[in-house]
Amino acid sequence: DTEVTQTPKHLVMGMTNKKSLKCEQHMGHRAMYWYKQKAKKPPELMFVYSYEKLSINESVPSRFSPECPNSSLLNLHLHALQPEDSALYLCASSQVYGTDYGYTFGSGTRLTVV
Amino acid sequence: AQSVTQLDSHVSVSEGTPVLLRCNYSSSYSPSLFWYVQHPNKGLQLLLKYTSAATLVKGINGFEAEFKKSETSFHLTKPSAHMSDAAEYFCVVRVGANKLIFGTGTLLAVQP
Repeated sequence: DTEVTQTPKHLVMGMTNKKSLKCEQHMGHRAMYWYKQKAKKPPELMFVYSYEKLSINESVPSRFSPECPNSSLLNLHLHALQPEDSALYLCASSQVYGTDYGYTFGSGTRLTVV
Repeated sequence: AQSVTQLDSHVSVSEGTPVLLRCNYSSSYSPSLFWYVQHPNKGLQLLLKYTSAATLVKGINGFEAEFKKSETSFHLTKPSAHMSDAAEYFCVVRVGANKLIFGTGTLLAVQP
């Protein structure tokens, strides 16, 4: 299995809702990432998990709450979002150490906040 | 600080003609560089990566890139464009162990 699977593919939520995005990989990668991509912009890093521990938080607002329950799963819990949080949320995974590794991205969850 | 600059926001070519997408990098040491492609409403697909092995890197779908230290460049090329190559292309540099910095992207249009 060489894929990163993200669910759901599309999500519409109100500003008072609580929802979660899910990401799963079975490549044995021990680093997992959340990126946010606004329309016609490059992806921007949000969080990095290394060996199931949060290693990078790019000053993301607390209404986004990441969770890595095991080495194959990464969640992003959403609460009280704003319309400007509407974007494509991409999950990725990779090895942790070494110099010759790439990053595998999922197809993303397109989130619309109304 | 490490960064990448994509010199063209839009490139338009005719089907069957060569493709050149330009990327310059800034790094104080030998960087790890990547090219990713994103088709409309899709995720990111790795085309190729440079990690200090061969300077000419061959990727998927006929793409290749050459790492030129003297010019601090990592341009992406393809000899003959296909309609299916129309997409957004990102040049990316790895910073530290786990952080990727993306260029601003180049939108490739392929005319019939």
